[in-house]
Amino acid sequence: KNQVEQSPQSLIILEGKNCTLQCNYTVSPFSNLRWYKQDTGRGPVSLTIMTFSENTKSNGRYTATLDADTKQSSLHITASQLSDSASYICVVSVMDSNYQLIWGAGTKLIIKP
Amino acid sequence: EPEVTQTPSHQVTQMGQEVILRCVPISNHLYFYWYRQILGQKVEFLVSFYNNEISEKSEIFDDQFSVERPDGSNFTLKIRSTKLEDSAMYFCASSLIRDRVNSGANVLTFGAGSRLTVL
Repeated sequence: KNQVEQSPQSLIILEGKNCTLQCNYTVSPFSNLRWYKQDTGRGPVSLTIMTFSENTKSNGRYTATLDADTKQSSLHITASQLSDSASYICVVSVMDSNYQLIWGAGTKLIIKP
Repeated sequence: EPEVTQTPSHQVTQMGQEVILRCVPISNHLYFYWYRQILGQKVEFLVSFYNNEISEKSEIFDDQFSVERPDGSNFTLKIRSTKLEDSAMYFCASSLIRDRVNSGANVLTFGAGSRLTVL
């Protein structure tokens, strides 16, 4: 069964600290993996999208990694800011005729001053 | 930056009533989607729409749901007879092309959502 699991479920860190969020997936055949940021009560906003051949992709203070062999991805946030408080959702696309998206439950990140 | 706009931002309705949620996708996008997110749960796919017809739909998208592109700019989701369990955030999204490998242009752009509360 195609699934995306994220950990931790929630995380609280102090402003300025770094953190890493994890995503494990059992999706086949794999097409691509995206990380979205979702502010409370808002729609998801794309941070990165990675294909099979990409190991690392950065977007400002966000760096995503992908290990297609172990089917794991991480999102590293450096020098966290209060505005980073949000849910971070890992989404994996299946390379089938519909290219359906398998959504993770998200990690709720809270940055404290 | 182009954005997807949704109205209303919040709607409260009585069970059994019809609801129409409206979306204005990004103007040059060709694929349109509706997703929903029940409070505290995962985002769930409802339906995708291309070339004036439904291209995919999930098992959630049953006969009480319908979508329409009544003109060149709006994309609507109608729920005919709302149930308590329809209470959720409904997100509209659009993309330039269909989801494909090695394409950055296919990234979905989501609207801010319409919160539906069914009493």
